[in-house]
Amino acid sequence: KAGVTQTPRYLIKTRGQQVTLSCSPISGHRSVSWYQQTPGQGLQFLFEYFSETQRNKGNFPGRFSGRQFSNSRSEMNVSTLELGDSALYLCASSLRGPEAFFGQGTRLTVV
Amino acid sequence: GIQVEQSPPDLILQEGANSTLRCNFSDSVNNLQWFHQNPWGQLINLFYIPSGTKQNGRLSATTVATERYSLLYISSSQTTDSGVYFCAPEGDDKIIFGKGTRLHILP
Repeated sequence: KAGVTQTPRYLIKTRGQQVTLSCSPISGHRSVSWYQQTPGQGLQFLFEYFSETQRNKGNFPGRFSGRQFSNSRSEMNVSTLELGDSALYLCASSLRGPEAFFGQGTRLTVV
Repeated sequence: GIQVEQSPPDLILQEGANSTLRCNFSDSVNNLQWFHQNPWGQLINLFYIPSGTKQNGRLSATTVATERYSLLYISSSQTTDSGVYFCAPEGDDKIIFGKGTRLHILP
């Protein structure tokens, strides 16, 4: 079956712009989590959605937001982009428990 | 929150060598996964191992939850094993990642 699909794979944005990333989980998975990976901070948890509700949130500013649709697809949005937002953004889906499966990620570059 | 320490941070080995990667965590965890991040950035599931021992080909993992550590064994390394290995226990209802062990296998 298809894995976790993230789009787009690569993105270049200008400081101050906003960006929306998309994640389609494995069919049947209802939980979607987002992570940011940077060389300095490593992999950090952004938020988790389950059945369209945000279930958990990491320590990121309000510029980072997300949502989940009824088909379990999720989007995350970053407004007023800063250079430090350049990172690999990874999405994970899980069926019910904590075993997570990750997508290939979206590499965001802010210039 | 849970702290995760992985060692060694970097490891360079010749093809065919064996290695042991260690993960210590600071608090009790219900679940733990090991991932391999390939050069393109994707995290590949290796093991879901909250406790006990599992084997998959040349790889095996052991988690001793009561002593708060997990080990990943790689035998007969191949160049395709290169990459970063992450230990990721579950804490506070989210997966917490260690900083990883960067493994480089020389041909």
